Amino acid sequence: DGGITQSPKYLFRKEGQNVTLSCEQNLNHDAMYWYRQDPGQGLRLIYYSQIVNDFQKGDIAEGYSVSREKKESFPLTVTSAQKNPTAFYLCASSTGGRTEAFFGQGTRLTVV
Amino acid sequence: GEDVEQSLFLSVREGDSSVINCTYTDSSSTYLYWYKQEPGAGLQLLTYIFSNMDMKQDQRLTVLLNKKDKHLSLRIADTQTGDSAIYFCAERLSSNDYKLSFGAGTTVTVRA
Repeated sequence: DGGITQSPKYLFRKEGQNVTLSCEQNLNHDAMYWYRQDPGQGLRLIYYSQIVNDFQKGDIAEGYSVSREKKESFPLTVTSAQKNPTAFYLCASSTGGRTEAFFGQGTRLTVV
Repeated sequence: GEDVEQSLFLSVREGDSSVINCTYTDSSSTYLYWYKQEPGAGLQLLTYIFSNMDMKQDQRLTVLLNKKDKHLSLRIADTQTGDSAIYFCAERLSSNDYKLSFGAGTTVTVRA
């Protein structure tokens, strides 16, 4: 089945550690996105990529890094520089030929 | 600029209609979307409307767009308990811009 898969579903990180969240899609979509969701807030764009080997900062990119070496994959690294990383992270993908973005089921990151 | 606003909460009785409202500031928006998020899950596209349309109906869902006032609404007819969720309004500014801007989300609670 086609879809977008995020892993892991839950992730715990100690302060000072970097962690990488996985996002894979088999929809053949050109564009991929990472959003952060905090309780009572909307989705804020961290990074997005419209094509392989290219990506742009979103509204809250500080403390995060991404790569887009393959069309199917867009991993997000939450670095130790991110001051408040505990949040729900959502990955999405879309294509220029369709209007909507498809979302994964999310990864809940907790700093312990 | 990009700014999408929604009221945060809506309580509705089962069987009644729900109306969720959204305002946006950028008149160049080309597509406007409604997404649904159930607890602990990703976002599911409910419906979308092109900026050159005034209304779109899809089963129990009706989307109304007032471009003059930059106002978008989602009406859910015969609201059911399964409709309890967070509903997000989102806009895309141009067909060449893959970014979506989201509102903060409206939490809809359906009471018996």
